[in-house]
Amino acid sequence: DIQMTQSPSSLSASVGDRVTITCRASQNIISYLNWYQQNPGKAPKLLMYSASTLQSGVPSRFSGSGSGTDFTLTISSLQPEDFATYYCQQSYSIPYTFGQGTKLEIK
Amino acid sequence: EVQLVESGGDLIQPGGSLRLSCAASGFAVSNNYMSWVRQAPGRGLEWLSVIYSGGSTYYADSVKGRFTISRDNSKNTLYLQMNSLRAEDTAVYYCARHSSGYYWFDYWGQGTLVTVSS
Repeated sequence: DIQMTQSPSSLSASVGDRVTITCRASQNIISYLNWYQQNPGKAPKLLMYSASTLQSGVPSRFSGSGSGTDFTLTISSLQPEDFATYYCQQSYSIPYTFGQGTKLEIK
Repeated sequence: EVQLVESGGDLIQPGGSLRLSCAASGFAVSNNYMSWVRQAPGRGLEWLSVIYSGGSTYYADSVKGRFTISRDNSKNTLYLQMNSLRAEDTAVYYCARHSSGYYWFDYWGQGTLVTVSS
């Protein structure tokens, strides 16, 4: 199975900050990497697919990059609604594993 | 509008069985890949199973041999039959639609809670 490791596990930031979350795969997954946002008590929401393609309706302050084993999700200017937990997911092979999550908290 | 509505979650004793349902609207489950994903309390997301449009099914090792994914095209509903339940199966269970022909999840249900406890 492909292991997905996110860092950091938690992050404190302020509105307007630029933040970056990293996701590392245990083997080459090319660009088969997706990002989700989850608010407490809610279902995950797709933000980004294929490493860098923004899902329809997602604000452009979100961006993704990377290929191979190392990927990043960047939020250029944090808004109050962005404080949530973020998960990466590889779609290269079954089982479709997720990272452990990064909880973004208000400083 | 695409909607997924799960049901069937309950409190069940270890060793018991439960069937979860995921009623879809706005699209046909038969034409899409569909997955089940769960989230234990305070934990991350765990992919469990997928059924492809052609009918092929795959499972995570943690549920292989105990859980069965299926669908009823006439009811436009996805199912997860869960047998031999364990305490570690306690979680919110989500059904999720794969974006057409791909392996990321573009729509999710609201989740249904399964608690395995005596």
